[in-house]
Amino acid sequence: GAVVSQHPSRVICKSGTSVKIECRSLDFQATTMFWYRQFPKQSLMLMATSNEGSKATYEQGVEKDKFLINHASLTLSTLTVTSAHPEDSSFYICSARDTETQYFGPGTRLLVL
Amino acid sequence: DQQVKQNSPSLSVQEGRISILNCDYTNSMFDYFLWYKKYPAEGPTFLISISSIKDKNEDGRFTVFLNKSAKHLSLHIVPSQPGDSAVYFCAARWTGANNLFFGTGTRLTVIP
Repeated sequence: GAVVSQHPSRVICKSGTSVKIECRSLDFQATTMFWYRQFPKQSLMLMATSNEGSKATYEQGVEKDKFLINHASLTLSTLTVTSAHPEDSSFYICSARDTETQYFGPGTRLLVL
Repeated sequence: DQQVKQNSPSLSVQEGRISILNCDYTNSMFDYFLWYKKYPAEGPTFLISISSIKDKNEDGRFTVFLNKSAKHLSLHIVPSQPGDSAVYFCAARWTGANNLFFGTGTRLTVIP
């Protein structure tokens, strides 16, 4: 299947700093990428849909000024958690759609101290 | 509102036996269904999918069955192997929609 990479896999930062997570589709072009968040023992929660060349669409309850999404090319989307706080600590997963199927990255574990 | 439901949070099966994971949905607009496997601290891995024009799709040890009238799908794994132990998510979407709707997952444990 198609490959989606995510970087970094793990990041620890101080409260108040910003963290950028990259998501790349390695062997296909993705006009649409997705960002999910997973809380412990819960399902994946869609945060936003990222469209190449246009603004991201955020799900209800997700602060767009806090979670900045940029989809500058057909193979790269970035999520920046601005002014991170301990409650932002979570597992963030990106996904890219290749025709009918969505493929997921390996995830990024964010820990905000 | 959970449009895709996996009512069994966990399932234990003996190695070599069949594992059956179930999924129900409420939105009749869904026309494409997928199963993903997820290990802790990793992203979901795509397993198998099925379009609503079919009622069965098979890929090796994995078979997905779709019953549209009952709004129910199931994933059969046979024979089950210890390496199959993971959380399995079913997901659904409709044509023209970008995002997937996920169930809450079922943790499968295959006992050697």
